[in-house]
Amino acid sequence: KQEVTQIPAALSVPEGENLVLNCSFTDSAIYNLQWFRQDPGKGLTSLLLIQSSQREQTSGRLNASLDKSSGRSTLYIAASQPGDSATYLCAVHTNAGKSTFGDGTTLTVKP
Amino acid sequence: KAGVTQTPRYLIKTRGQQVTLSCSPISGHRSVSWYQQTPGQGLQFLFEYFSETQRNKGNFPGRFSGRQFSNSRSEMNVSTLELGDSALYLCASSLDRGVHEQYFGPGTRLTVT
Repeated sequence: KQEVTQIPAALSVPEGENLVLNCSFTDSAIYNLQWFRQDPGKGLTSLLLIQSSQREQTSGRLNASLDKSSGRSTLYIAASQPGDSATYLCAVHTNAGKSTFGDGTTLTVKP
Repeated sequence: KAGVTQTPRYLIKTRGQQVTLSCSPISGHRSVSWYQQTPGQGLQFLFEYFSETQRNKGNFPGRFSGRQFSNSRSEMNVSTLELGDSALYLCASSLDRGVHEQYFGPGTRLTVT
């Protein structure tokens, strides 16, 4: 059974700081891994999708890496801003067609 | 292109009642997945539909069911509601499962009293 763990559960940083969020998964047989952000009471917004054959993806100030063999992914946020405050979730989509989500990391960026 | 839409956005029901939630995927998307999100359990997979067929199912009781129509719109039904069914129900669509990106709707907030 696939399990996804995100560390830390919560993170508070001052504006402008670079930060890394971690995601680990137990079953390396994945199609892809997707990072989302969720604002309170809202749906999920897709940030980055990394295919199983890729090592990293970049979008603006965000960079996500994937190491399938070790079951790890990281989301790097450069020059954090108060608007980045949200919960960040990672999800693995396996070749069995199921999606498993982590519990998320709640990020607070202080002005 | 319009995003994923879910109706209703908010719902209050009483224990024992049943409820039907609706999801309209992004145009051209054929896969629809449903999730339940609660503070205690996080985001949990309910089921996935593709071309009107349920292809995957999570670990939920039979009170939770769904279907998909020929236009890819999907409905989810919960019968004999329990207090523990109070949650945010999220729908996600994608071109297909697997290598394609999932796009989520805003969710339906269900409160069972």
